[in-house]
Amino acid sequence: QKEVEQDPGPLSVPEGAIVSLNCTYSNSAFQYFMWYRQYSRKGPELLMYTYSSGNKEDGRFTAQVDKSSKYISLFIRDSQPSDSATYLCAMSVAGSARQLTFGSGTQLTVLP
Amino acid sequence: ETGVTQSPTHLIKTRGQQVTLRCSSQSGHNTVSWYQQALGQGPQFIFQYYREEENGRGNFPPRFSGLQFPNYSSELNVNALELDDSALYLCASSSAGTGPGNTIYFGEGSWLTVV
Repeated sequence: QKEVEQDPGPLSVPEGAIVSLNCTYSNSAFQYFMWYRQYSRKGPELLMYTYSSGNKEDGRFTAQVDKSSKYISLFIRDSQPSDSATYLCAMSVAGSARQLTFGSGTQLTVLP
Repeated sequence: ETGVTQSPTHLIKTRGQQVTLRCSSQSGHNTVSWYQQALGQGPQFIFQYYREEENGRGNFPPRFSGLQFPNYSSELNVNALELDDSALYLCASSSAGTGPGNTIYFGEGSWLTVV
């Protein structure tokens, strides 16, 4: 079993829809949670970063962490065709905060 | 632009050969990590360098090795290439002592094809 499981998709939604992306994890030591966006054949770009449990909002993006359920989510409101990309969740433990464990990514297409 | 530059962007090698990939970290960043991303998968941590010393390693064999230089740039070396080494190799730079999510920046990667 992988430490981080992510719905692989692909996920296709109409423009303006609310998108929900999710990851579950098994390592209770994870303290830092991140979402990266990766366009085709490019490096990952950091979208959101959350420490421990809770919610964080940045524009159209909201990240949620539920440590009791070992479950994290990223919500995208008013999705745009430019949001079409692969979304990767990533996590790390305290003391090795820069050694990220990634999910396998969810491919999202937002249709105009 | 993240300020992390990698070279070469694409290369093709033959099984059994050796390859060196290079990374220049963002200005002021003293920690460099390398990741391997196979097609359709998330990146996997290879190792990390801080102040020219390896200070963390993932589940990769010793034929994957690295260096960090005094200017914090880094190299990833892979010996005895295997077909399964075909992947996107990503370099990430960050600054020790600050929140990890705020300062981990990835380069565009080097695409390695082993034939």
